[in-house]
Amino acid sequence: SQQGEEDPQALSIQEGENATMNCSYKTSINNLQWYRQNSGRGLVHLILIRSNEREKHSGRLRVTLDTSKKSSSLLITASRAADTASYFCATDDGTASKLTFGTGTRLQVTL
Amino acid sequence: KAGVTQTPRYLIKTRGQQVTLSCSPISGHRSVSWYQQTPGQGLQFLFEYFSETQRNKGNFPGRFSGRQFSNSRSEMNVSTLELGDSALYLCASSLDPGWNTEAFFGQGTRLTVV
Repeated sequence: SQQGEEDPQALSIQEGENATMNCSYKTSINNLQWYRQNSGRGLVHLILIRSNEREKHSGRLRVTLDTSKKSSSLLITASRAADTASYFCATDDGTASKLTFGTGTRLQVTL
Repeated sequence: KAGVTQTPRYLIKTRGQQVTLSCSPISGHRSVSWYQQTPGQGLQFLFEYFSETQRNKGNFPGRFSGRQFSNSRSEMNVSTLELGDSALYLCASSLDPGWNTEAFFGQGTRLTVV
């Protein structure tokens, strides 16, 4: 079963704009990871944020985590056409390598 | 450093047959997990192996099984295939299970059951 949902389900923006995706989850977590998937191919790891962290940056990516609201957001700044993909959040509870995924956000970046 | 390698990339099987998928994790990674991705159910956890032992199992029927070898390579097997088993099967490897370790995925095996 899905841990939670991502919002929005689909997002269409123009190149250069920022894209924000949100992820909500249901139970306590240890880590939250964000992944990108291009057209039904493999998942590319973007960033991991621990439950005791509130914000993390990696290049054009900024991730926030609010454990009190059981939510996370992924911000992609200055988007590019190559960012077009589906984005998933995944959580674990620290007991094993079992990840529980959200429903994903489909991002379309147009020129 | 080579990534996670899954073979084959594509597979077409007939209902009732069985199939074996292979996953070679990143060198040094000892944990391998398998996931099924379908349009209807999204990404679902199948099972996880660490040091040749199944440590965790998802909510899938017994037709789905797996194993891990001493070199950490893993295989998953699906017997008596059903049309609903058509999916992208993804393998993930991580250094150790759980605590603050990133999971890296392969390109997946696209299984079509006809």
